[in-house]
Amino acid sequence: GESVGLHLPTLSVQEGDNSIINCAYSNSASDYFIWYKQESGKGPQFIIDIRSNMDKRQGQRVTVLLNKTVKHLSLQIAATQPGDSAVYFCAENRQGDDKIIFGKGTRLHILP
Amino acid sequence: GAGVSQTPSNKVTEKGKYVELRCDPISGHTALYWYRQSLGQGPEFLIYFQGTGAADDSGLPNDRFFAVRPEGSVSTLKIQRTERGDSAMYLCASSLSLGVTGTGELFFGEGSRLTVL
Repeated sequence: GESVGLHLPTLSVQEGDNSIINCAYSNSASDYFIWYKQESGKGPQFIIDIRSNMDKRQGQRVTVLLNKTVKHLSLQIAATQPGDSAVYFCAENRQGDDKIIFGKGTRLHILP
Repeated sequence: GAGVSQTPSNKVTEKGKYVELRCDPISGHTALYWYRQSLGQGPEFLIYFQGTGAADDSGLPNDRFFAVRPEGSVSTLKIQRTERGDSAMYLCASSLSLGVTGTGELFFGEGSRLTVL
């Protein structure tokens, strides 16, 4: 069978708890960041984005935090639900460039 | 449907054969992206079209890979002389232009899984 995400870091969270998924980026020229969610057998799906002139942005049950000093991005999911089980990717866009570059993912596993 | 459509969903081929993967983007989306995703990895950028032209093909791994979008809508990714290392999920995404909308919301298809034996 297929072992999707065998080598991905995994975060296991109790249902109802908050999840925090972290991402580090290396390019100082990146000024726009996006979080995507990928469920098994599907393409990635946009969750939330943030520009470098902000350090926090909130959506429905999700918050993205950006720390430009240490080039760190995090995604917080409140009251994690079974439907949040997926692989989460941070992605970046660099100044003057229209392509979007994906980072390594994190698998979120929800414990009952 | 209204989403991005990719065909075939699965393709098994033999080493050395030629393969075409098709992407039908969301109507009106001027930007179209191809990514390759191996097991346990994030999507790897291959090429980006703005309209009919390839605005950035810096991610194509070598000259066996080529993509076209002749009428600014449907795109075809072409792989010549396939190798076992080409086995992966090939994802297509479309969007309104990042430079116009200011958003990086890409709409992905479900991918074409290529297996080279």
